[in-house]
Amino acid sequence: SQQGEEDPQALSIQEGENATMNCSYKTSINNLQWYRQNSGRGLVHLILIRSNEREKHSGRLRVTLDTSKKSSSLLITASRAADTASYFCATDAGGGGADGLTFGKGTHLIIQP
Amino acid sequence: ETGVTQSPTHLIKTRGQQVTLRCSSQSGHNTVSWYQQALGQGPQFIFQYYREEENGRGNFPPRFSGLQFPNYSSELNVNALELDDSALYLCASSLERERWLEQFFGPGTRLTVL
Repeated sequence: SQQGEEDPQALSIQEGENATMNCSYKTSINNLQWYRQNSGRGLVHLILIRSNEREKHSGRLRVTLDTSKKSSSLLITASRAADTASYFCATDAGGGGADGLTFGKGTHLIIQP
Repeated sequence: ETGVTQSPTHLIKTRGQQVTLRCSSQSGHNTVSWYQQALGQGPQFIFQYYREEENGRGNFPPRFSGLQFPNYSSELNVNALELDDSALYLCASSLERERWLEQFFGPGTRLTVL
């Protein structure tokens, strides 16, 4: 079953603009990660934020986590055409991997040149 | 490029048949996880193998089975294929079980069941 829901399901913006996508989840988590997937191919890890962290940055990416609201957001600044992809949040509850990662349904981001 | 490879890239099977998908982990990685991704959905965890033993399993029936070999490559086997098994199957390797969160995904195998 899917743990989270990304919002919006699809987002189309102009190159250079910022893109924000949100993720909500249902149960307590240990960590939350964001992944990118191009054209139905393999997933690429973007960033991991631990449950005791509130914000994390990596290059043009900014992730926030609000465990009281069970939600996270991913901000991509100064978007580029190459950022066109699907973005997924994934959570884990610890347990050494026995339950794997639980992914949301994803946000499909389109950057218009 | 993550160094994780999967074969075949695409596969078409008929309902009721059996299929074997293969995954070669990144060098030195002894933990592998398999995921099923239906069209328009996020990946769902099938199972994880560590040093040739199943370490955990998601909500998939027993007709989904796996193997991990001494060189840490692995297989996903699906028996009695159903139409709903049509999906992208992804494997991900990790350096070791304690670092399983650092998953490196392969490009996937697209399975179509007719």
